[in-house]
Amino acid sequence: SQQGEEDPQALSIQEGENATMNCSYKTSINNLQWYRQNSGRGLVHLILIRSNEREKHSGRLRVTLDTSKKSSSLLITASRAADTASYFCATDADNYGQNFVFGPGTRLSVLP
Amino acid sequence: DTAVSQTPKYLVTQMGNDKSIKCEQNLGHDTMYWYKQDSKKFLKIMFSYNNKELIINETVPNRFSPKSPDKAHLNLHINSLELGDSAVYFCASSQDGRWGNEQFFGPGTRLTVL
Repeated sequence: SQQGEEDPQALSIQEGENATMNCSYKTSINNLQWYRQNSGRGLVHLILIRSNEREKHSGRLRVTLDTSKKSSSLLITASRAADTASYFCATDADNYGQNFVFGPGTRLSVLP
Repeated sequence: DTAVSQTPKYLVTQMGNDKSIKCEQNLGHDTMYWYKQDSKKFLKIMFSYNNKELIINETVPNRFSPKSPDKAHLNLHINSLELGDSAVYFCASSQDGRWGNEQFFGPGTRLTVL
């Protein structure tokens, strides 16, 4: 099974609303990263949160990490049509930081 | 300026052929990666390469082999292509191999095996 699994699989909201996506993982991690993928493009790094951090902000993005529940959430506030993309969480699969595992992603559609 | 580039963008070929996908990064990064994204959008790491050290995902068939002529390039060679190899392949790089460094992804190569 996937180390990181996002939920929901798909999310459709109106422009201006907030979007929340969740990621669950199974083993201990050092860090967790969130990436965005626009259709037909490569992934773009959004934010990294370390295992000793609980919350991190970057612009309209807010990421939380609960290591006791092995879960993270990505909140996008005041969504825009340009936020339409797939969002992935990535966790490390070993201690060397060279074997990353991505979840299946959440497809976010922001309707104008 | 393109940070991580891949060629070709699209590759259509017959089963049994041998093909290569090229990847170049101009970021001065030490570590490069290859990922496979299947039709369900699952992204799986295939290889990571850092300072001549290759780490292979054990699930990757040995028909796949990465070749690094220099630090800025990590090409992917695929022998005896099979239908199941059809996917989008992404190259990525990071400053070094330690966890905590963001990865920069190329635009992807869509491989279709007929």
